[in-house]
Amino acid sequence: SQKIEQNSEALNIQEGKTATLTCNYTNYSPAYLQWYRQDPGRGPVFLLLIRENEKEKRKERLKVTFDTTLKQSLFHITASQPADSATYLCARRYSSASKIIFGSGTRLSIRP
Amino acid sequence: DVKVTQSSRYLVKRTGEKVFLECVQDMDHENMFWYRQDPGLGLRLIYFSYDVKMKEKGDIPEGYSVSREKKERFSLILESASTNQTSMYLCASNSDREIDGYTFGSGTRLTVV
Repeated sequence: SQKIEQNSEALNIQEGKTATLTCNYTNYSPAYLQWYRQDPGRGPVFLLLIRENEKEKRKERLKVTFDTTLKQSLFHITASQPADSATYLCARRYSSASKIIFGSGTRLSIRP
Repeated sequence: DVKVTQSSRYLVKRTGEKVFLECVQDMDHENMFWYRQDPGLGLRLIYFSYDVKMKEKGDIPEGYSVSREKKERFSLILESASTNQTSMYLCASNSDREIDGYTFGSGTRLTVV
């Protein structure tokens, strides 16, 4: 079955450092991976999509990579700030249409 | 600003009650989804819909049904609420342009007592 796993439940880092979150998938390579941010008590907010033929994508302080050999995506936040503290979810597409499945998320805490 | 609106932020219902959770999107999206989110279990897909009057089961449809009579509205129905249906319920929508990602509502925290 298709699975997606975020191995770290929580990550704590110092403000200003780069946060790196990991997402691993099983089975065949999905056409794309998505990353979302979720604040407590709120719905997830879409951040980025990276396709399997893209090695890297950037958006402001965010960078996402897609390694089909390792079956892994890395999500980086550079120059991290306390406001970046949230849970980050990765998601992959099912084999059909627009349905996606989510990882369980990594709770990121940035301490001042 | 595009929006997915869920009718209630918090809801408390009694065991055995029929519960309706409403979701409306204003983006003319084709696809709509209902998830529940529980600590340690992440987001789990209950039902989804690709078109009006069309529905498909997700991973955990038991105890739920849905209705999509209009494109913008997708309702989740708990036929007979049970305590194990206490959860955060999230509605989402997206277009067929996958690059846009999902747009989620703010969620309904349902407690069944």
